[in-house]
Amino acid sequence: EAQVTQNPRYLITVTGKKLTVTCSQNMNHEYMSWYRQDPGLGLRQIYYSMNVEVTDKGDVPEGYKVSRKEKRNFPLILESPSPNQTSLYFCASTRSGRAPYEQYFGPGTRLTVT
Amino acid sequence: DAKTTQPTSMDCAEGRAANLPCNHSTISGNEYVYWYRQIHSQGPQYIIHGLKNNETNEMASLIITEDRKSSTLILPHATLRDTAVYYCIVRVTNDMRFGAGTRLTVKP
Repeated sequence: EAQVTQNPRYLITVTGKKLTVTCSQNMNHEYMSWYRQDPGLGLRQIYYSMNVEVTDKGDVPEGYKVSRKEKRNFPLILESPSPNQTSLYFCASTRSGRAPYEQYFGPGTRLTVT
Repeated sequence: DAKTTQPTSMDCAEGRAANLPCNHSTISGNEYVYWYRQIHSQGPQYIIHGLKNNETNEMASLIITEDRKSSTLILPHATLRDTAVYYCIVRVTNDMRFGAGTRLTVKP
């Protein structure tokens, strides 16, 4: 089954404790991205990757890092989480970033930073 | 990128067609119109996209006006499970930018 998986689905952590949210897709997609969703602000793109070893900033990259060492995985790293990063996070993938293919979204990771 | 304008909310009776409008008067010639929806706090789900011609798939139909300045997403027989926020997005590339969308409530 074609899917995007995220782990963990729920996470409560404390300020400053480094964490990684994993994202994996099984569709051999080139393009992957991360979004965060906050009430009243909608979905905003954090980072995206057009292909392996190619990443770029989205609209709200501050406080986040990503890496794309292999095609299927695109982890989101919070080196020093802060309470304003409490949010619902979605990973997405699509066949290509340059063509109109549908994007597949993961189920979301709800992160709380205290 | 072209901005889109959608109604904040709409209601639809179960079994009837739901017609969701979207204005994108500044759309450029190489921008596609995409529709996604998000049910509660699940990940957004792709519905359909188009460039100039009307499109239909198993989920919905997309009607784009001849001048491409507006479009309508049609769910032909809405069910309670279609209650969701529907996003109209206009983009050249595939990195979606989500606005506030239309909250569609399907009522029994």
